[in-house]
Amino acid sequence: DAGVIQSPRHEVTEMGQEVTLRCKPISGHDYLFWYRQTMMRGLELLIYFNNNVPIDDSGMPEDRFSAKMPNASFSTLKIQPSEPRDSAVYFCASSFYPNYGYTFGSGTRLTVV
Amino acid sequence: SQQGEEDPQALSIQEGENATMNCSYKTSINNLQWYRQNSGRGLVHLILIRSNEREKHSGRLRVTLDTSKKSSSLLITASRAADTASYFCATANNNDMRFGAGTRLTVKP
Repeated sequence: DAGVIQSPRHEVTEMGQEVTLRCKPISGHDYLFWYRQTMMRGLELLIYFNNNVPIDDSGMPEDRFSAKMPNASFSTLKIQPSEPRDSAVYFCASSFYPNYGYTFGSGTRLTVV
Repeated sequence: SQQGEEDPQALSIQEGENATMNCSYKTSINNLQWYRQNSGRGLVHLILIRSNEREKHSGRLRVTLDTSKKSSSLLITASRAADTASYFCATANNNDMRFGAGTRLTVKP
């Protein structure tokens, strides 16, 4: 298995633009998580899905953020409109169970200028 | 938001020495996990210890858990330059898992 695959690896965009981050989880993993990592706040859970259904989105910072999982092999995290304070590394992770051994992707480094 | 607090924030040792990192947390847990993150990469799961376990080993890793003190330690024995990374503890309770701020370990060759 190629692991959790995220794209793009790097994204630089201008303030106000729409940004879409993509994730392909490990096949068979029923749970998918989106995290954001910054120096100031560390790793923050944004949202997680179970069997493609969003379970907890309480970590999504604002209405500008939205996430979807249209099928078991694909998820997106969208920011519209983007702001400089959204600059961070965004990680997708997947697992068989909600609290056991997450497999993380390599992340997307987002820079909003 | 974070729950685990790692200590120290940064640790620098010579190759061959042992490295010990600590994690303290505040609420009850089902299990506690340790992850490693190399620069520019995602986190890699290292080891999981359940709340009813006190010690666990995996290769050069040894993890202890003291639920009465709400603390855990990760010991890496005979460290190597390749162990240079950030190490995070993550506490799991029901369907909620929170990561600490991490310990930055540097192993000098």
